[in-house]
Amino acid sequence: DQQVKQNSPSLSVQEGRISILNCDYTNSMFDYFLWYKKYPAEGPTFLISISSIKDKNEDGRFTVFLNKSAKHLSLHIVPSQPGDSAVYFCAARGKATGANNLFFGTGTRLTVIP
Amino acid sequence: SAVISQKPSRDICQRGTSLTIQCQVDSQVTMMFWYRQQPGQSLTLIATANQGSEATYESGFVIDKFPISRPNLTFSTLTVSNMSPEDSSIYLCSVSQSRGHEQYFGPGTRLTVT
Repeated sequence: DQQVKQNSPSLSVQEGRISILNCDYTNSMFDYFLWYKKYPAEGPTFLISISSIKDKNEDGRFTVFLNKSAKHLSLHIVPSQPGDSAVYFCAARGKATGANNLFFGTGTRLTVIP
Repeated sequence: SAVISQKPSRDICQRGTSLTIQCQVDSQVTMMFWYRQQPGQSLTLIATANQGSEATYESGFVIDKFPISRPNLTFSTLTVSNMSPEDSSIYLCSVSQSRGHEQYFGPGTRLTVT
């Protein structure tokens, strides 16, 4: 049973525009959410996170929004750059199952077109 | 963040054999984890590697198939035993400090079983 879902396997955006990546989850006990970026032949790289007590966290060009009532989070990248082209995974921490166990979505491949 | 290396980076193995994957961190870390990413799938946690004691396995994973060692705070191994083609995956180790929420990933080991 996939507890974290990324329903869009791919997204293409023009350079300079906003990229919006979406993620839905089913477990209301998740208390911390993270986004990772993955380039080919490399491990995932931590990008940004948000606690369940917040609804927004911003770091430079990256902003994560959390809507707990809808069990939905999104990652906004603005402006998008060609170097942002990668696979993006959202992940959630299960408070009830352990201190650091993460549940991952299946990823969204972002392509930023120059 | 810690620098994490994995050996080998990739391997092609025959069914019925075993492969041991090493994960080395450049600093002491509290927690180490092993994940699997099957083709087209999300990352799935195999187990938490505990220093000086038996690993904690997630549902669907057993010690006989995936024995794990963690002799100290900077090193862990994962063995994939009696391999079948279904074990063809990317295997990743990750680390986390006790105070942090983020996990940092190694580059992964791409395993192909023929």
